[in-house]
Amino acid sequence: EAQLVESGGDLVQPGGSLRLSCVASGFTFNTFWMSWVRQAPGKGLEWVANIKRDGSEKYYVDSVKGRFTVSRDNAKNSLYLQMNSLRAEDTAVYFCARGFLESAPNCFDSWGQGTLVTVSS
Amino acid sequence: EIVLTQSPATLSLSPGERATLSCRASQSVSSYLAWYQQKPGQPPRLLIYDASNRATGIPARFSGGGSGTDFTLTISSLQTEDFAVYYCQQRSKWPLTFGGGTKVEIK
Repeated sequence: EAQLVESGGDLVQPGGSLRLSCVASGFTFNTFWMSWVRQAPGKGLEWVANIKRDGSEKYYVDSVKGRFTVSRDNAKNSLYLQMNSLRAEDTAVYFCARGFLESAPNCFDSWGQGTLVTVSS
Repeated sequence: EIVLTQSPATLSLSPGERATLSCRASQSVSSYLAWYQQKPGQPPRLLIYDASNRATGIPARFSGGGSGTDFTLTISSLQTEDFAVYYCQQRSKWPLTFGGGTKVEIK
């Protein structure tokens, strides 16, 4: 069974940086697209970023372009999200999610429990 | 970007009743629409992909339909564990987008 475990969430000041990690197990990590999806407190879901199996393609929602960078280390079965120039509106639970289908854009069939990022002074 | 509008925002029903949830896209997404269920404190769970295909392990009481811009998720007979928030998501074009959600609550 696929398992995804996020870490790295924290309280950070506006303008600060944070790096989220997601460790995968139970499946062949390098054969799946991976994504980050976030959920602000009490709000709906927002897709943030996608990365292809080999890291050669990356896609972002407009609101994070130029500030966030998605990456992966297939040798470590790990997905990352480097977040710079953080804003209050980036406050959310960040989920790591596995792409369900081989092609992209895709939907998500396995999710982590999420890690909370709070941007506040 | 493709905007997904879900209705109603809240659906109040009793166990055993039929639930019909709607998702409307601002432009055609063909059949590239998924549905998720989310309970408090939990991540979303994939129910339906590509409009009408049940994901692994999803009970037959969940069914999806539609194409183009109009989609429905139907729960044929609500069980207590089905009371939750439901989201639709399109995978037709970047950026991926979700609807605002429909909360199915116990009447």
